[in-house]
Amino acid sequence: DTEVTQTPKHLVMGMTNKKSLKCEQHMGHRAMYWYKQKAKKPPELMFVYSYEKLSINESVPSRFSPECPNSSLLNLHLHALQPEDSALYLCASSQVSSPREQYFGPGTRLTVT
Amino acid sequence: DQQVKQNSPSLSVQEGRISILNCDYTNSMFDYFLWYKKYPAEGPTFLISISSIKDKNEDGRFTVFLNKSAKHLSLHIVPSQPGDSAVYFCAASSGYSSASKIIFGSGTRLSIRP
Repeated sequence: DTEVTQTPKHLVMGMTNKKSLKCEQHMGHRAMYWYKQKAKKPPELMFVYSYEKLSINESVPSRFSPECPNSSLLNLHLHALQPEDSALYLCASSQVSSPREQYFGPGTRLTVT
Repeated sequence: DQQVKQNSPSLSVQEGRISILNCDYTNSMFDYFLWYKKYPAEGPTFLISISSIKDKNEDGRFTVFLNKSAKHLSLHIVPSQPGDSAVYFCAASSGYSSASKIIFGSGTRLSIRP
């Protein structure tokens, strides 16, 4: 299994809602990542988890809250988002031995109304 | 300030010819470079990489060249095929740990015409 899965594929939420994005991989990767990609822009790193511990937070606003409950699962909890947070949210994972070769999921297209 | 730059937003190449995608970087601390390919509605897919201790890496139809003095790398695809039509992202990383931060360029949309 060389796949990173993300659910849901699309999400529309109001600014007062609370929702969560889910990412799963069964490749035995111990590093997992959240990226944000706006239209016609490159992916931008948000968070990095290494061995289920948060190792990098790229100064992301607290309305985004990551969670890594186990080595296969990565969540991104969303609360009180702004319309400018609308974007494609990509999850990725990598082997500890090859951390820079990251496997990406298809992303969740988020629209904040 | 963009640390990884892809100055050509798009490129059109005839099928069977060579496609050359270019990338420049500014951070001399980068020691590992990657190319990712992205189809619509999919996440980026790792294509090929090169360490800063090398100047060339080849994998089938794909070759990446690194010129450290010029802070420039390029991806050559030969021969180009219709399935190569996609957005290509150049990316760079520095240091090594169990998890790495990658900086992506803005991407080049490659179109292979028949």
